[in-house]
Amino acid sequence: KQEVTQIPAALSVPEGENLVLNCSFTDSAIYNLQWFRQDPGKGLTSLLLIQSSQREQTSGRLNASLDKSSGRSTLYIAASQPGDSATYLCAAGMDSSYKLIFGSGTRLLVRP
Amino acid sequence: GAVVSQHPSRVICKSGTSVKIECRSLDFQATTMFWYRQFPKKSLMLMATSNEGSKATYEQGVEKDKFLINHASLTLSTLTVTSAHPEDSSFYICSAKSNEQFFGPGTRLTVL
Repeated sequence: KQEVTQIPAALSVPEGENLVLNCSFTDSAIYNLQWFRQDPGKGLTSLLLIQSSQREQTSGRLNASLDKSSGRSTLYIAASQPGDSATYLCAAGMDSSYKLIFGSGTRLLVRP
Repeated sequence: GAVVSQHPSRVICKSGTSVKIECRSLDFQATTMFWYRQFPKKSLMLMATSNEGSKATYEQGVEKDKFLINHASLTLSTLTVTSAHPEDSSFYICSAKSNEQFFGPGTRLTVL
């Protein structure tokens, strides 16, 4: 059974810092790995999707990497801004059905 | 990107009543929709996969008679929480699949 873990559970950084969020999964036979952002009381916004054959994806200040063999993914946020404050969730897709196994999230606070 | 809506966004009901939550794909057709449940500061747990024109597939531990899912059209899936109890209070999020997965904004259910 796939289990997805995110460390740290919470993170507080000053504005401008570069930061890394970690995601690990127990079953390396994933179909894809996705990173989401969730604002308080809101739904999910997809940030980056990495297919199992890919090593990384980039969008603006965000870069996500995937290492299937070690069961790890990281989300790198460059030059953090207060508007980046949110909960970041990673999710493993196990097949093409789009069914996702979510981690518990990292709550990020970027202080002005 | 594609838009998925949920209605209502927030509902408060008395214990023992039933509550229906709607999930709509506004600008695309979705043969498959997913229903998730999220407890405070916890991750999303997949409840069931809703398939248009057929029975939903429930995850282990989810009571199908408690959480009734109907996917009557390619743009609408409904989740009915029957005989709701305070422990059913949660944040319910749906997603719809086209070429990728899009999430709704969520419905906050509070059962008194």
